[in-house]
Amino acid sequence: KQEVTQIPAALSVPEGENLVLNCSFTDSAIYNLQWFRQDPGKGLTSLLLIQSSQREQTSGRLNASLDKSSGRSTLYIAASQPGDSATYLCAVRVETGGFKTIFGAGTRLFVKA
Amino acid sequence: DAGITQSPRHKVTETGTPVTLRCHQTENHRYMYWYRQDPGHGLRLIHYSYGVKDTDKGEVSDGYSVSRSKTEDFLLTLESATSSQTSVYFCAIREGRTGELFFGEGSRLTVL
Repeated sequence: KQEVTQIPAALSVPEGENLVLNCSFTDSAIYNLQWFRQDPGKGLTSLLLIQSSQREQTSGRLNASLDKSSGRSTLYIAASQPGDSATYLCAVRVETGGFKTIFGAGTRLFVKA
Repeated sequence: DAGITQSPRHKVTETGTPVTLRCHQTENHRYMYWYRQDPGHGLRLIHYSYGVKDTDKGEVSDGYSVSRSKTEDFLLTLESATSSQTSVYFCAIREGRTGELFFGEGSRLTVL
């Protein structure tokens, strides 16, 4: 059974710091991996989607990498800003036993001004 | 923005009453999903649809039913709401070409 883990559960950093959020999954047979951002009381906003054949995706200050063999993905945020404060979730789409999407519990990020 | 609208955005109801949440999309996506999000449980799939009149159960489908009579609308019904169904409900669509998931803004339901 696929499990998705995000560590740490919460992170506080000063503004301007580069940071890495981690997502690990137990079964390497994934179809894709997606990173989301969720602000309090809001829906999930898609940040980056990495297909299983890809190693990384970039959007602005965000870079997501995927290493299927080790069951890991990282979301790199460069030059963090207070506006980056939110919960970041990763989700893995698996094809074992039919397509399913498994979500991690998220990392709550606080960027201090 | 994938053109997803959820209604109502907030609802307070009493135990035993029926409740219907609506998800409307404007881009003719085939796959639509209903999730609930609760502290300590994360996001859990309730039901999903893969076309008009084609639906299937997710991991927490008990107490919920769905219908999809048009491509653009996916309805979630609680036949007789219970306090355990107090939650935030999210609708999502899957983009056909890339498989990317997009979410609506959520519907916060409180069952008293």
